[in-house]
Amino acid sequence: DVKVTQSSRYLVKRTGEKVFLECVQDMDHENMFWYRQDPGLGLRLIYFSYDVKMKEKGDIPEGYSVSREKKERFSLILESASTNQTSMYLCASSERSGQGGSFRSQPQHFGDGTRLSIL
Amino acid sequence: AQSVTQLDSQVPVFEEAPVELRCNYSSSVSVYLFWYVQYPNQGLQLLLKYLSGSTLVESINGFEAEFNKSQTSFHLRKPSVHISDTAEYFCAVSVGIYNQGGKLIFGQGTELSVKP
Repeated sequence: DVKVTQSSRYLVKRTGEKVFLECVQDMDHENMFWYRQDPGLGLRLIYFSYDVKMKEKGDIPEGYSVSREKKERFSLILESASTNQTSMYLCASSERSGQGGSFRSQPQHFGDGTRLSIL
Repeated sequence: AQSVTQLDSQVPVFEEAPVELRCNYSSSVSVYLFWYVQYPNQGLQLLLKYLSGSTLVESINGFEAEFNKSQTSFHLRKPSVHISDTAEYFCAVSVGIYNQGGKLIFGQGTELSVKP
């Protein structure tokens, strides 16, 4: 079975701190994703990566950055944490399929989430 | 642009009753479709998927969904629900992106609440 591991289930940080959320997958997937989940808003894509050192902005990238130095690891960084970034953060990975340069994501596998509170 | 609409934000139902969670998508190309389930304080788990072939797909715990191309729908059904099915359910469509790995577009989610 695919395993996606997020480094923390619960995290409490202070406003202005630099926060790192780590995610590791063990299935050699090309794609990795970071989402945040808020009540009534569903899942919103922050950033995704389709290869090592490659990253693309999702729907809500402001205030966040990412790093993918190794294929299995995808880090989300809150440069200067603010209270409106209090949320549940979910990491996912997937294979991709396709040819000729046009790819689609296969089913995504999710970690258990990190509930982040910014005080 | 592709989008996914889950028509009900909350669905309350009694135990052993049938349930249908509705999902409509918009896409101009062939699609991959998914249903995910999220139990409290957990991540999302894949419930079932449509990639190609038979339009009726089933999960191991009794859920099924039917891909209807003409109505652009992928509704989730179960003939008899259990208390343990209480969870949030997300419908998603796979979006192709040129020269990238692709991504999923998620619906807003439907909270299924099963009452005794």
